Amino acid sequence: DGGITQSPKYLFRKEGQNVTLSCEQNLNHDAMYWYRQDPGQGLRLIYYSQIVNDFQKGDIAEGYSVSREKKESFPLTVTSAQKNPTAFYLCASSMAGAGTGELFFGEGSRLTVL
Amino acid sequence: AQSVTQPDIHITVSEGASLELRCNYSYGATPYLFWYVQSPGQGLQLLLKYFSGDTLVQGIKGFEAEFKRSQSSFNLRKPSVHWSDAAEYFCAVSEPGGFKTIFGAGTRLFVKA
Repeated sequence: DGGITQSPKYLFRKEGQNVTLSCEQNLNHDAMYWYRQDPGQGLRLIYYSQIVNDFQKGDIAEGYSVSREKKESFPLTVTSAQKNPTAFYLCASSMAGAGTGELFFGEGSRLTVL
Repeated sequence: AQSVTQPDIHITVSEGASLELRCNYSYGATPYLFWYVQSPGQGLQLLLKYFSGDTLVQGIKGFEAEFKRSQSSFNLRKPSVHWSDAAEYFCAVSEPGGFKTIFGAGTRLFVKA
């Protein structure tokens, strides 16, 4: 079945550690996105990528980094510079930009900083 | 700047009753409009979308939404709610041809027996 796979589903980290969240899609979509979800705030865009080897900052990119070396993969690294990293992270993809159709979401990764 | 407002943080309805979730947006022209649903601990699933044309759009699971340009609204409706509809609902807008989707804060729906 086609879809988006995020891993791990739950992750705990100590302060000062970098962590990488995985996102893989087999939908053959060009665009991929990372959103952060906090209670009562909806989803906020961290980074997005329209094509391989290209990505742009979203509204809350500080303290995060991404790469897009393959069309199928768009990993997100939460660095120690992110001041409040505890959140639910959602990866999404779309065929050719969010404005032309729907976003397809993974099941999310919950990061807790201890 | 684009923005989306969902005035109701949470709503409780009885099973079998009708439902309307409100959404207002701020945008210079007519954006693309979406409603998504999220079950606890899961990703989001598209319920319906509006790009242009007929202002009443039908979606999955018996949901519909009506675009009202004069009110900058895109309210979601369902004539008869089922217990399985309990979830969080997000209204979203995007610029036609763009790559950014702006989400509202969400409305959590509780269904009572």
